[in-house]
Amino acid sequence: NAGVTQTPKFRILKIGQSMTLQCAQDMNHNYMYWYRQDPGMGLKLIYYSVGAGITDKGEVPNGYNVSRSTTEDFPLRLELAAPSQTSVYFCAIGASYSEQYFGPGTRLTVT
Amino acid sequence: KNEVEQSPQNLTAQEGEFITINCSYSVGISALHWLQQHPGGGIVSLFMLSSGKKKHGRLIATINIQEKHSSLHITASHPRDSAVYICAGERSGGSNYKLTFGKGTLLTVNP
Repeated sequence: NAGVTQTPKFRILKIGQSMTLQCAQDMNHNYMYWYRQDPGMGLKLIYYSVGAGITDKGEVPNGYNVSRSTTEDFPLRLELAAPSQTSVYFCAIGASYSEQYFGPGTRLTVT
Repeated sequence: KNEVEQSPQNLTAQEGEFITINCSYSVGISALHWLQQHPGGGIVSLFMLSSGKKKHGRLIATINIQEKHSSLHITASHPRDSAVYICAGERSGGSNYKLTFGKGTLLTVNP
């Protein structure tokens, strides 16, 4: 039981490149989340999903896209990477009145 | 005003000291989560509280719903407790469930 896995762990992108951050879970949770964490700031919600086929925007969705075709996977797509997207990205799963489980994070640098 | 406010931002203690981190939150938040993040590390859920008090080892979390305030206490602190502690408010409504995060408290425990 791996919980929440994320790939890659680290990535350097050039401005304008695109990439997909992968997130997978084996705990059969309906709710999945993508957050970004910038130094000195709290975690900010990018997108979330309440089940396969259903996604919605969080606080900071601009520059990102998501899809949720299965319960297990929730990839985050960056199109036309910008330096402002340099951050640590965390995927998480959870349920109401229950703890959230976080993936190990992806450290992304855009130069 | 942020929905979730933590204090202090930074805290330095000597090994063995009793530590308190505070979190205040806005109306509409129905539960409070405490998370721990070691430097360069992942995020681990410590507690989820909707009322009362919870204890796990040397960690104790309390919540006062009337005052919209929660505290995380660490007894007999140890250098391995050095980490960022994050409180997050849970706002549930309908089929959605999201967390709003405080900016974190950086705790350093010196030997």
